[in-house]
Amino acid sequence: AQKITQTQPGMFVQEKEAVTLDCTYDTSDPSYGLFWYKQPSSGEMIFLIYQGSYDQQNATEGRYSLNFQKARKSANLVISASQLGDSAMYFCAMREGRDSGYSTLTFGKGTMLLVSP
Amino acid sequence: EAQVTQNPRYLITVTGKKLTVTCSQNMNHEYMSWYRQDPGLGLRQIYYSMNVEVTDKGDVPEGYKVSRKEKRNFPLILESPSPNQTSLYFCASSLSGIGDSPLHFGNGTRLTVT
Repeated sequence: AQKITQTQPGMFVQEKEAVTLDCTYDTSDPSYGLFWYKQPSSGEMIFLIYQGSYDQQNATEGRYSLNFQKARKSANLVISASQLGDSAMYFCAMREGRDSGYSTLTFGKGTMLLVSP
Repeated sequence: EAQVTQNPRYLITVTGKKLTVTCSQNMNHEYMSWYRQDPGLGLRQIYYSMNVEVTDKGDVPEGYKVSRKEKRNFPLILESPSPNQTSLYFCASSLSGIGDSPLHFGNGTRLTVT
């Protein structure tokens, strides 16, 4: 079974609007971390935001916020006030096994976001 | 500037010719890893290292070797490259190997094996 599922292959949004990118995950480990990365057309991977499984509040970083619903095992990325530069591929990722000191980062297959003027 | 540096950015080679992709980080990170990215398959982990002299296989280790003799360097070695290893490769590092450490990525190496 896939550990990270991103069901939206592509999303379109108009500039200045908000957009939500979906991510669901599957783990039986009580301790894990959830990450979002951005990959623009130039190819580099840029870390955006992190949410820990024990965090009580949703993570926020500037225009990025993470809508964390633990019971539903979802970790959706919300981008407010979209900009043209937000057009990119977005990856959700999970790291398990914090307490054991072992972890590997598993990625979803990504969502391509296109922001139009 | 804190960064992960991998070289080369682009590499075209022929089947069977040994090659090495270098990776170096200047952040004193303990954890380093190699991923490959292929269309429709996302990023898949090849090998990772929790610390110096400690390496382990990821999801797709076949055909690859790594070594971690120094903390800052984690080269990826393809002893006998084949066309199915044509891919975009990323080196990444994090402060530690536990859940709350984000991975910092290099800029990628696009490898073509003919």
